[in-house]
Amino acid sequence: QVQLVESGGGLVKPGGSLRLSCAASGFTFSDYYMSWIRQAPGKGLEWVSYISSSGSTIYYADSVKGRFTISRDNAKNSLYLQMNSLRAEDTAVYYCARGQYGFDLWGRGTLVTVSS
Amino acid sequence: EIVMTQSPATLSVSPGERATLSCRASQSVSSNLAWYQQKPGQAPRLLIYGASTRATGIPARFSGSGSGTEVTLTISSLQSEDFAVYYCQQYNKWPLTFGGGTKVEIK
Repeated sequence: QVQLVESGGGLVKPGGSLRLSCAASGFTFSDYYMSWIRQAPGKGLEWVSYISSSGSTIYYADSVKGRFTISRDNAKNSLYLQMNSLRAEDTAVYYCARGQYGFDLWGRGTLVTVSS
Repeated sequence: EIVMTQSPATLSVSPGERATLSCRASQSVSSNLAWYQQKPGQAPRLLIYGASTRATGIPARFSGSGSGTEVTLTISSLQSEDFAVYYCQQYNKWPLTFGGGTKVEIK
């Protein structure tokens, strides 16, 4: 079954850290570009970060640059997002998504809540 | 960054009617644009990429048109399952950006 499954979300205090994971299955993960996209409660979609299939090219939204780090392990079919110095405005459902020219496969998301 | 502006914010349509959703970019995105549908509690679903190419499994009643700074998503005859929020997204330049969404609701 072709799917993406996120994990690692939860409640964290401002200034804290969290590491999200995304497990891919049913397709050749190493062939695909991947991104993290988030959605604050009741709000629209915001692209967060991108990583190329080999991991050699990475981009970040300005809102997370210097605080978040995207990575992947093609041997484990997994995508990661290390989130440091978390702020209240980082509270959102975080989705991993496949593709670059349109995201054609999304996970169900994992909720990150930043609150004291 | 390229700002994507969708209009209207809410569109009230009766089942069987046609819906036209607009997306305007602050600078040209060529045809590097995608449309997504999102229902409550679900992840977005890719409908259209390349401004006008339907993604796999998407019904023919969904069509995309336009390029440059003005693109349109048309749903030719709304079905009950089409009531949702629709987002456009450009992938012409980094950072990738989404529009604010158009909610299509039952009239």
